[in-house]
Amino acid sequence: DGGITQSPKYLFRKEGQNVTLSCEQNLNHDAMYWYRQDPGQGLRLIYYSQIVNDFQKGDIAEGYSVSREKKESFPLTVTSAQKNPTAFYLCASSIILPGNQETQYFGPGTRLLVL
Amino acid sequence: GESVGLHLPTLSVQEGDNSIINCAYSNSASDYFIWYKQESGKGPQFIIDIRSNMDKRQGQRVTVLLNKTVKHLSLQIAATQPGDSAVYFCAENMWAGTALIFGKGTTLSVSS
Repeated sequence: DGGITQSPKYLFRKEGQNVTLSCEQNLNHDAMYWYRQDPGQGLRLIYYSQIVNDFQKGDIAEGYSVSREKKESFPLTVTSAQKNPTAFYLCASSIILPGNQETQYFGPGTRLLVL
Repeated sequence: GESVGLHLPTLSVQEGDNSIINCAYSNSASDYFIWYKQESGKGPQFIIDIRSNMDKRQGQRVTVLLNKTVKHLSLQIAATQPGDSAVYFCAENMWAGTALIFGKGTTLSVSS
């Protein structure tokens, strides 16, 4: 898990409620990412941010929102517009390698369940 | 050892065997590839990477092979151990600043 922390480990959401997942990194990485993983599936990109105060939508951004006010932090809000939020959420951060290639390192994940 | 010619969702091996997990990547412009290991309920863990200017790279008990002609990547694990049981994902990246593209994942089960 390196220097990437996610909290909480488990999160329960009621119908119509917005919930926020925390992601913090102390690796001094510029880029941060949010992925969603459904059972038996691969990772799908929700949002990513390459620098502070800037972020881009991924493949499945609808029903989610993010902010990047600090380099270390990239919180994800699951809004009431996301009708099927039950999943395992993974945050990652990345460092640019020589040759302009990038390795992403992942946090431990947050499992979101709907009550 | 046991290998899979095409991507299969599961691979079962005996402890001590060599394992080969295959991955077909999607974009011929991808120039950097990573293998991740994900244990149940945890985040993916970096195993090994390879750049497109290489055909082979070795780590501790693991080797990654890249065949750009057929857009194929494989992960070889020597002397597989029960602790190697996990889901293995390949990922490709075209250039820094773009998100990784992940393969479907293969579940490796190692029996004693």
